[in-house]
Amino acid sequence: GAGVSQSPSNKVTEKGKDVELRCDPISGHTALYWYRQSLGQGLEFLIYFQGNSAPDKSGLPSDRFSAERTGGSVSTLTIQRTQQEDSAVYLCASSLAELHNSPLHFGNGTRLTVT
Amino acid sequence: GNSVTQMEGPVTLSEEAFLTINCTYTATGYPSLFWYVQYPGEGLQLLLKATKADDKGSNKGFEATYRKETTSFHLEKGSVQVSDSAVYFCALSEGYGQNFVFGPGTRLSVLP
Repeated sequence: GAGVSQSPSNKVTEKGKDVELRCDPISGHTALYWYRQSLGQGLEFLIYFQGNSAPDKSGLPSDRFSAERTGGSVSTLTIQRTQQEDSAVYLCASSLAELHNSPLHFGNGTRLTVT
Repeated sequence: GNSVTQMEGPVTLSEEAFLTINCTYTATGYPSLFWYVQYPGEGLQLLLKATKADDKGSNKGFEATYRKETTSFHLEKGSVQVSDSAVYFCALSEGYGQNFVFGPGTRLSVLP
């Protein structure tokens, strides 16, 4: 596709439920990032995938958060047993990591509301 | 580790005013520098970038010059418009496929 696509655009869930957020990166982009943006705040790094290398999970806030990237393309971020503090916009970005300092291309995000 | 510092917002200006948003960075090597813009309800969009010292990035009337001696990458625009109201993020990236480091963002409001 033309850009990074995220789905759903909005998700409302009850506390304690599991949610899955999807990211379709730009075709051919080998690097994929997940960030979290709380209301009025900056970007919080969550996880980074690069090709077939082990992902950098250093930003995941707890073991309730996990992410996969299948076939080097689509990625799913899963939050188990959601809490109200998980409410935020979750942003996905991809880049051509082979190019030195290639810029990130962002999706429009998934707004998650935990009630 | 690497870090990015931006001036705190919000910044409120009248239309046609001059804009400066300060950004300074700390890096161990020779990073590339970026400005991203986030309009309400959207993801971040690349506004401009510079990959080496003294490079000037420009786009949509915005400019920023990579100043290695002052480790700065200040964003400027000579005459802002209401449509420039958004949050602006300064960022750096160092090396291949390295994690980006973002500043906290500066919210700009332009009044008619």
